[in-house]
Amino acid sequence: EAGVTQFPSHSVIEKGQTVTLRCDPISGHDNLYWYRRVMGKEIKFLLHFVKESKQDESGMPNNRFLAERTGGTYSTLKVQPAELEDSGVYFCASSGTRGYEQFFGPGTRLTVL
Amino acid sequence: AQSVTQLDSQVPVFEEAPVELRCNYSSSVSVYLFWYVQYPNQGLQLLLKYLSGSTLVKGINGFEAEFNKSQTSFHLRKPSVHISDTAEYFCAVTHSYTGNQFYFGTGTSLTVIP
Repeated sequence: EAGVTQFPSHSVIEKGQTVTLRCDPISGHDNLYWYRRVMGKEIKFLLHFVKESKQDESGMPNNRFLAERTGGTYSTLKVQPAELEDSGVYFCASSGTRGYEQFFGPGTRLTVL
Repeated sequence: AQSVTQLDSQVPVFEEAPVELRCNYSSSVSVYLFWYVQYPNQGLQLLLKYLSGSTLVKGINGFEAEFNKSQTSFHLRKPSVHISDTAEYFCAVTHSYTGNQFYFGTGTSLTVIP
């Protein structure tokens, strides 16, 4: 069974540009989560989807971040326009009915120059 | 609100020596506790978890952790480390009633020295 996959693995962009990160959860998992780790700090929760609905987006830093999950399958996280402080590793996780059993992807390392 | 403290950001240890990675948490509600490991260029992998029951939890690769409610700790231990244990280790908690949003510590980088 395929795990959680994320694309791209790395992205380097200029300040002010737009970047879109993609996450494909484990097949059949209704719950999808985004987390972010800024260098040297803790991994922080961004938001939680149940199918295509946003269940909790309390961790989204500001309105430059837009997450979608059309059709309840894969999810995208768009940053527009990117700022220097957006640099970090963005993790996606998915779970089935038990939300505490989250499976994480390898992360996307975003560098904003 | 919940928070997690990993007191040691870097832990060097010689091969075959024991290791303990410390984790303390703060929460006003009942929690589940986890340790994840991230090997270089890989994602987060679950090492072990405490949900309920016995406070001593055994995980993969010979790791174990003990839940201490009075000290709000969940320290990770291994009696004899291998080179392959070199990785970053994250302690995490989640609310036991909702179990959705995870709160992570800042991570501990374990380096095993030959």
